[in-house]
Amino acid sequence: AQSVTQPDIHITVSEGASLELRCNYSYGATPYLFWYVQSPGQGLQLLLKYFSGDTLVQGIKGFEAEFKRSQSSFNLRKPSVHWSDAAEYFCAVYILTGGGNKLTFGTGTQLKVEL
Amino acid sequence: KAGVTQTPRYLIKTRGQQVTLSCSPISGHRSVSWYQQTPGQGLQFLFEYFSETQRNKGNFPGRFSGRQFSNSRSEMNVSTLELGDSALYLCASGGASSYNEQFFGPGTRLTVL
Repeated sequence: AQSVTQPDIHITVSEGASLELRCNYSYGATPYLFWYVQSPGQGLQLLLKYFSGDTLVQGIKGFEAEFKRSQSSFNLRKPSVHWSDAAEYFCAVYILTGGGNKLTFGTGTQLKVEL
Repeated sequence: KAGVTQTPRYLIKTRGQQVTLSCSPISGHRSVSWYQQTPGQGLQFLFEYFSETQRNKGNFPGRFSGRQFSNSRSEMNVSTLELGDSALYLCASGGASSYNEQFFGPGTRLTVL
């Protein structure tokens, strides 16, 4: 079955430090991968997406992610974290079933930023 | 361009009641998907509507239903509410292509007492 795994439930980093959030997927076909961010009480905001092409994708707010097919991974990175980046981050894979759309999400990683 | 709007933002109901949540997609979007978010189960797909037809459905009981109108607005209904239905219900809208990204609304927080 298709699934997304985010191994880290909580991560704490100091402001200005680099960040890497891990995401592994299980999907038989070419995956369409996303990273979303959710601030408390808010909906989900798309950070970046990978459909095909260059395996290093750039997103909003200075985030980037690298697709590695051999490792079934799509890790999110940011070189220097800001206090406003504290939020919950979700990795997701698009499942195509009979023409329908279905996003399967990981369990999320809660990011805390220490000042 | 206005984003996805969901009403109401907060709702309190008691067990056994039913509830209807509303979602207005981004103008021009014809796909609306619904997700349930709980601390225990995370984000789970409920169903997707496209041009007034249910195109995909998740693994939820029949108490959960939805519909889409000709203006692409969508409603989700939950009948015979249970305590476990307490959750944040998120609506997302997208374009016609299966590969379009989905834009999420702020959600409706449902509390069942």
